Amino acid sequence: SYELTQPPSVSVSPGQTARITCSGDTLPKQYAYWYQQKPGQAPVLVIYQDNERPSGIPERFSGSTSGTTVTLTISGVQAEDEADYYCQSADSSGTRVFGGGTRLTVL
Amino acid sequence: EVQLVQSGAEVKKPGESLKISCKGSGYSFTTYWIGWVRQMPGRGLEWMGVIYPGDSDTRYSPSFQGQVTISADKSITTAHLQWGSLKASDTAMYYCARRHTTSGAFDIWGQGTMVTVSS
Repeated sequence: SYELTQPPSVSVSPGQTARITCSGDTLPKQYAYWYQQKPGQAPVLVIYQDNERPSGIPERFSGSTSGTTVTLTISGVQAEDEADYYCQSADSSGTRVFGGGTRLTVL
Repeated sequence: EVQLVQSGAEVKKPGESLKISCKGSGYSFTTYWIGWVRQMPGRGLEWMGVIYPGDSDTRYSPSFQGQVTISADKSITTAHLQWGSLKASDTAMYYCARRHTTSGAFDIWGQGTMVTVSS
């Protein structure tokens, strides 16, 4: 089955830039989405269509794409950004799939 | 306010059946796909399938095809996820989420329904 690959964990100090990657063969052809999930809460959409930010999401969240890898960048990380982050896209048949998730730790 | 409200936590025994619900409000329920997502304890998100309440067109992830049934009742703006015979491995949090028509994003999420299957 199709997989999206994320690093299990990323750690940064407050104020630094966090970059979370997601790799998959169909990413050049399919949009990527990013969700933030804090403990005990439902996921929240933070980036859609590779690099668009929903209303209400801080400007420090941005998305980019390069070939088979998409990246979620959080500039000036704050303590409140500590969470699990999941990328989501689709395989060649259109079946949606999530990446394994990345735990962002703010040191 | 656009929201999805899910039914409450369930505790069931292996072999029992179950149907959980997700009620949409504040938007045109029949014109947005509703998806279901599983999250097993301490694990990541898994996409299960989606339904278009307008005509009940349903798509399943191959991993969940035949294991669950997704349905919708547009008269009460509610989507359902059901099992015919639960297993201990079905123990998980289940989320419903609305898929935005133009962006394709799951932009609105329910609060989740915890299903525990234990003898």
